[in-house]
Amino acid sequence: GAGVSQSPRYKVAKRGQDVALRCDPISGHVSLFWYQQALGQGPEFLTYFQNEAQLDKSGLPSDRFFAERPEGSVSTLKIQRTQQEDSAVYLCASSPTLGGITGQSHNEQFFGPGTRLTVL
Amino acid sequence: GDSVTQMEGPVTLSEEACLTINCTYTATGYPSLFWYVQYPGEGLQLLLKATKADDKGSNKGFEATYRKETTSFHLEKGSVQVSDSAVYFCALRNSGGYNKLIFGAGTRLAVHP
Repeated sequence: GAGVSQSPRYKVAKRGQDVALRCDPISGHVSLFWYQQALGQGPEFLTYFQNEAQLDKSGLPSDRFFAERPEGSVSTLKIQRTQQEDSAVYLCASSPTLGGITGQSHNEQFFGPGTRLTVL
Repeated sequence: GDSVTQMEGPVTLSEEACLTINCTYTATGYPSLFWYVQYPGEGLQLLLKATKADDKGSNKGFEATYRKETTSFHLEKGSVQVSDSAVYFCALRNSGGYNKLIFGAGTRLAVHP
């Protein structure tokens, strides 16, 4: 079956532009995560959705970052007034189970290929 | 807060050499531990996992044992192949925080014929 897909795969933006990055999770997956991976670093958590509810946005670096998942499937990460330090690969992951203390903590997250954002 | 530290790369080996990539963690409670692999041009893939102390995860000839006493989860393989060339990430997931993953910085492995 289809895995997690992300679009666009590459995005070049001029500083100050707004960008929108899309994630299509695996069908039926309840949990959706966004991560940011700077060059040469490991991914860092940005935000988490359980269905359409954004339950954790503690990793969003500033109020220029906004994420939504209005129907509990596709998610969009929006970055307003992009800055050079926003240049990174943005990864989306989905998981079939609920997160949190009642969830099964060992269930796998399936990652998309990422969107490489370059801000000039 | 929770964190993962893994050995810096790049690690360069000849085919059939032994591999060890060190990983240590700091966490409250009893996290699950993972190794992810990122092949050139591809997305992150789960390589192996362990959910409790003394568990051994294994896949594709790779192994890692969850050592609570040393807070470590070192990745090992007895004989590497050129096709193992990739970036390897150690990660943990705690039961709190909605199961987000916390990654190390990654270790690049290059295997030469």
